[in-house]
Amino acid sequence: AQSVTQLGSHVSVSEGALVLLRCNYSSSVPPYLFWYVQYPNQGLQLLLKYTSAATLVKGINGFEAEFKKSETSFHLTKPSAHMSDAAEYFCAVIGGYQKVTFGTGTKLQVIP
Amino acid sequence: KAGVTQTPRYLIKTRGQQVTLSCSPISGHRSVSWYQQTPGQGLQFLFEYFSETQRNKGNFPGRFSGRQFSNSRSEMNVSTLELGDSALYLCASSPGAGGHSTDTQYFGPGTRLTVL
Repeated sequence: AQSVTQLGSHVSVSEGALVLLRCNYSSSVPPYLFWYVQYPNQGLQLLLKYTSAATLVKGINGFEAEFKKSETSFHLTKPSAHMSDAAEYFCAVIGGYQKVTFGTGTKLQVIP
Repeated sequence: KAGVTQTPRYLIKTRGQQVTLSCSPISGHRSVSWYQQTPGQGLQFLFEYFSETQRNKGNFPGRFSGRQFSNSRSEMNVSTLELGDSALYLCASSPGAGGHSTDTQYFGPGTRLTVL
């Protein structure tokens, strides 16, 4: 079975500081990994996805993630946090027939 | 292209009642998936439909059911509502090429169900 683990349910950063949200995966086959963002009272918006084409994946809003097989990680980063980045972020892995397994989420707080 | 739409956005029901939620996928998408989101359990997969057939199902009781129509629109139904069914129900659509498809899923805004 495939799964993802997000370390840290809450992360606080200062505006302009580096954002690092951690995700580790478990999969017996090459995984398809995603990062989604959810703003309050809204659905999920796709930030980026990894489908084995490139290990460094660039997404929207300046976010990127690097797939590291040796560490079974897919951490999300952004060089400089903006107030509008405050939201909850979900790492996810997709299995057969569109079944997506989500991590428990990380709430990002950006301090002015 | 219009995104995934879900109706209604908010719903209040009482225990024992049943409820039907609707989801219209992105035009051309044939796969529709449903998820339940609660503070305690997080995001959990309910089921997935492709071409009017349920291809995958999560670990939910039989009170949760769904269907898909020939135009790919989908509905999910919850019968005999319980307090614990209060949640945000999210629908997602994808092109769904069939088989072990791993297309990107695009989510709707969700339906917030409150059971009193």
